[in-house]
Amino acid sequence: DAKTTQPPSMDCAEGRAANLPCNHSTISGNEYVYWYRQIHSQGPQYIIHGLKNNETNEMASLIITEDRKSSTLILPHATLRDTAVYYCIVRDGGSQGNLIFGKGTKLSVKP
Amino acid sequence: DTGVSQNPRHKITKRGQNVTFRCDPISEHNRLYWYRQTLGQGPEFLTYFQNEAQLEKSRLLSDRFSAERPKGSFSTLEIQRTEQGDSAMYLCASSLDRGRYNEQFFGPGTRLTVL
Repeated sequence: DAKTTQPPSMDCAEGRAANLPCNHSTISGNEYVYWYRQIHSQGPQYIIHGLKNNETNEMASLIITEDRKSSTLILPHATLRDTAVYYCIVRDGGSQGNLIFGKGTKLSVKP
Repeated sequence: DTGVSQNPRHKITKRGQNVTFRCDPISEHNRLYWYRQTLGQGPEFLTYFQNEAQLEKSRLLSDRFSAERPKGSFSTLEIQRTEQGDSAMYLCASSLDRGRYNEQFFGPGTRLTVL
């Protein structure tokens, strides 16, 4: 079973920041937080991952709370093309196997 | 780099028929994964390979399902005696083993409809 809890849906205005929350209260010390997204009719796409420090790349920023029990994915300037289902996944850093997806958050970016 | 490719993109079959899907991973990737996704759900893991060795299989992978990766490059997923419950999107992903973590790159999927 997925180790994360996400809201089923969120709306965001185009050009504004989208902040997607994720709860992972049972996360252990060696588990990373990963984010993927899935645009309609496509395969999932990797966005970002982190352990305990905040991370930023060209797609998004990941803010992890100090106790690591929750995190927020930030899309700084959402566009219509960011409309997708966003999945937060917790995974052992040493694991080389599968990803366990939950139902994710359906983000709708509106003009 | 053309990414992960899957063929066919769509397959419609009648119950009881056999179907086979193909996945071509990113060329240097040594790990290959199969997932299944039904409507409204996230992808569910089926199996994965490191090179040609099948290292893990989910309990979702019944004895009607078989996956191969004969030369450690492309992979096939066969479903025998298809059932209507097999209707789903079948996703393939690949990754490069870097020891600590691995970003999985997904293909576009094969959508199976069993009538």
